[in-house]
Amino acid sequence: SQQGEEDPQALSIQEGENATMNCSYKTSINNLQWYRQNSGRGLVHLILIRSNEREKHSGRLRVTLDTSKKSSSLLITASRAADTASYFCATDAYNAGNMLTFGGGTRLMVKP
Amino acid sequence: EAGVTQFPSHSVIEKGQTVTLRCDPISGHDNLYWYRRVMGKEIKFLLHFVKESKQDESGMPNNRFLAERTGGTYSTLKVQPAELEDSGVYFCASSQDYGGLAGSYEQYFGPGTRLTVT
Repeated sequence: SQQGEEDPQALSIQEGENATMNCSYKTSINNLQWYRQNSGRGLVHLILIRSNEREKHSGRLRVTLDTSKKSSSLLITASRAADTASYFCATDAYNAGNMLTFGGGTRLMVKP
Repeated sequence: EAGVTQFPSHSVIEKGQTVTLRCDPISGHDNLYWYRRVMGKEIKFLLHFVKESKQDESGMPNNRFLAERTGGTYSTLKVQPAELEDSGVYFCASSQDYGGLAGSYEQYFGPGTRLTVT
């Protein structure tokens, strides 16, 4: 597996349900960021969680970070059709500058 | 406030030709990054500028790629000569500060330039 690998690769849910995506990484990190990419568009920054944080909220988003397991999860509550997109986690490794390492992403489809 | 902008949005060129991509970061952001996603692969880091200086260019694939940021504002990425495997989406990002060991700031991405080499 690679740094910042998401699981599952694809997820299909009904509107109103919650969506959970997971990310695993290999090396020690400073921060982990989650991004969304709508089809054919750029990456939209969702949330950044620092290595000394365990949970962070932003609207309907909840991100957790477990540095002992080198994993993070992104929870989207009460999903909407507009949440349909690909979601990526990206890490910047400790003492390695600001370079982000991305996983392959999770494709989320929310059916109306 | 304008976000990161990239030009062109799409470029189609023939193998052996030259292409120059441009990125305008968010105003006031000293840090500028280039990434790319080739078909079926993850988004990969190319290089990082702090103002006009190259902080990290460890991701540049070979010497056919040349990035510049004269004056520390916008940046260009030139591919010369282009090869088929260069096809993909090239993203630019910017951040306000370089946190180093203390942590980094959010990187904001542009819409990307889709490069097709035929």
